[in-house]
Amino acid sequence: QVQLVQSGAEVKKPGASVKVSCKASGYIFTSYAMHWVRQAPGQRLEWMGRINGGNGDTKYSQRFQGRITITRDTSASTAYMELNSLRSEDTAVYHCARTAPGAYYGMDVWGQGTTVTVSS
Amino acid sequence: DIQMTQSPSTLSASVGDRVTITCRASQSISSWLAWYQQKPGKAPKLLIYKASSLESGVPSRFSGSGSGTEFTLTINSLQPDDFATYYCQQYNSWFTFGQGTKLEIK
Repeated sequence: QVQLVQSGAEVKKPGASVKVSCKASGYIFTSYAMHWVRQAPGQRLEWMGRINGGNGDTKYSQRFQGRITITRDTSASTAYMELNSLRSEDTAVYHCARTAPGAYYGMDVWGQGTTVTVSS
Repeated sequence: DIQMTQSPSTLSASVGDRVTITCRASQSISSWLAWYQQKPGKAPKLLIYKASSLESGVPSRFSGSGSGTEFTLTINSLQPDDFATYYCQQYNSWFTFGQGTKLEIK
């Protein structure tokens, strides 16, 4: 079945970086885009950016520009999200989610989420 | 950025009720709107895309309508499994989500 499986929880100190992985299975990885969406405690879902699984093109939310890098390894059907210069406000659950080209059908498959805690 | 505002923020209802959640966009998004259901500790689940198209496997008691700036999600005959938080999301210009509507048991 189609699924996205993310890496485990992380605890980081302020100023550090975190890299979260999202392994896809059950579909052709290069035919879809992969997005990263986070949810801080008690907050709404927030789109961070996406990568085109086929050509690797990336687009980032202005809020994270300069701090975020999304990459992919097509041979492993895995997408990665790295966030730098972490601060306490980055404590959140981070999800990957896929869309078909043009996002016509919305985000139809989601990863289980990775909790990132930023604390000194 | 396009802002999305949902109402109400909290909704109390009983099993068997019909409920409606509203989502307003700060500018026209045509029909590029999705609805998601989220339960505590779980990932969001897609219910509706393109404002009114039901995602495969989603019960037909869920329906969506609207275009432009005003949209609604209606749940007919609430079931115990439906008590959750619901989010709208625009994807006309990248992606933004509403603040969520928590559907509680009355």
